[in-house]
Order: sequence, then C-alpha cells, then structure tokens
Amino acid sequence: DIQMTQSPSSLSASVGDRVTITCRASQGIDNYLAWYQQRPGKVPKLLIYAASILQLGVPSRFSGSGSGTDFTLIISSLQPEDVATYYCQNYDSAPSTFGPGTKVDIK
Amino acid sequence: EVQLVESGGGLVQPGKSLRLSCTASGFIFGDYAMHWVRQAPGKGLEWVSSIRWNSGNMDYADSVRGRFTISRDNAKNSLYLQMNSLRAEDTALYYCARARPTEWGAFDIWGQGTMVTVSS
Repeated sequence: DIQMTQSPSSLSASVGDRVTITCRASQGIDNYLAWYQQRPGKVPKLLIYAASILQLGVPSRFSGSGSGTDFTLIISSLQPEDVATYYCQNYDSAPSTFGPGTKVDIK
Repeated sequence: EVQLVESGGGLVQPGKSLRLSCTASGFIFGDYAMHWVRQAPGKGLEWVSSIRWNSGNMDYADSVRGRFTISRDNAKNSLYLQMNSLRAEDTALYYCARARPTEWGAFDIWGQGTMVTVSS
C-alpha cells in the first residue's frame, strides 16, 4: 500500500502569512492527489484535486503543485477561517490513503 | 441540493453486526463511484471502501477486508456498508463520500457522518 506523509504535523502562523504544507507518497502516484480541509467539528471539504486543480468555489489563495511523490499545498495569505486540519489523499488506486494531517492555527 | 445522508450507526457489542446506509439526493447517483471513509475520535481520515457506479468493482482497506461489504442500489439512490465481526477499533464516525465525476477518487461531496461505537 502507498503511505502518505505530511509535514509539518502542525503550524501556527499570522493572518496574511504564506503557509506551505508538504505531502509525500511512498511511491509515485502521478497526479492522483487531493487536498482536503477539515475545520473543527466539520465535514472534510475538497480543496484541490489532480494535485493542482482548484475545486469550484474554493478561494484562489489555495494552490497545489507536484507530481509523482512530492506535493505541496500553499495558502498564499492565511485567513482566520483557514484554521483547520489539512489532509492529502492518494487516489491513484485502491486502497486510497490519507496523510496524517497538518493542523493549522493562527498565531 | 446535492446531499448525502448517512444512517444506521449506533452502539454495538464487539463481534456483532451493523448496516450503514447513505441516501443520495440532488444528483444522478448511478453515475458516480461512491466511498466510505471513517474517522476515529480525535484521529485522522481513513478510507474504508469503494464501489464503482455499476457495482462492478468493490475495494476495501486491509483493516476491514473480509468483515465489511459495500453495496449500492442505484434505483434507491442508496449506498450501504454491511459491517460484521465488529471490533473496538472500528469505532469511528463513518462518512459516505461521492467521487468526482468520471473519477474513482477525490471526494467532492461528503455526508455528515454516522457514529459507530463498538463497546461491551
């Protein structure tokens, strides 16, 4: 099975800061990579699919990049409503796997 | 409105069975692959199982293979998860999720979840 790792596991940043989260797959997954945001007590929300395509309705301050094994989620200007845990997901083939999550809060 | 609503969760003893349901509305259910994802209290997301639009392919996480069975009834706009031989480690909030159009993964619609607690 493909293992997904994320770094950092948590971070604290100021409003307006640029935030970068990385995700690594244990083997190549082409661009079958999605990012989700889960706010406290809420349902996960798809932010990005195919590594870099923004889901409809997601603010443009979110962006994704990468292919193969290394991927990045960037929040260009952190907002208070971005406080959440962010998960990457490999959906190259079954079993799909999620990363352990990166918790983002405001400094 | 596009919506998924799960039901069937509850408190169950170890070794017993439970059947979860997920009812879809607002879209053509039969056009989409569907998945179950779970989240243990305070933990991350864990993919559980998937089924293609025509029930042609079902897949399972190693942790549930042989105990859980996914199925769907496109005429009833419903997805199911039959869970047998339940264990304490199956305790989690179970979400059903829709895959993006023409894809197997990347889940664009999620239900609110149904809680399963396995305890004696």
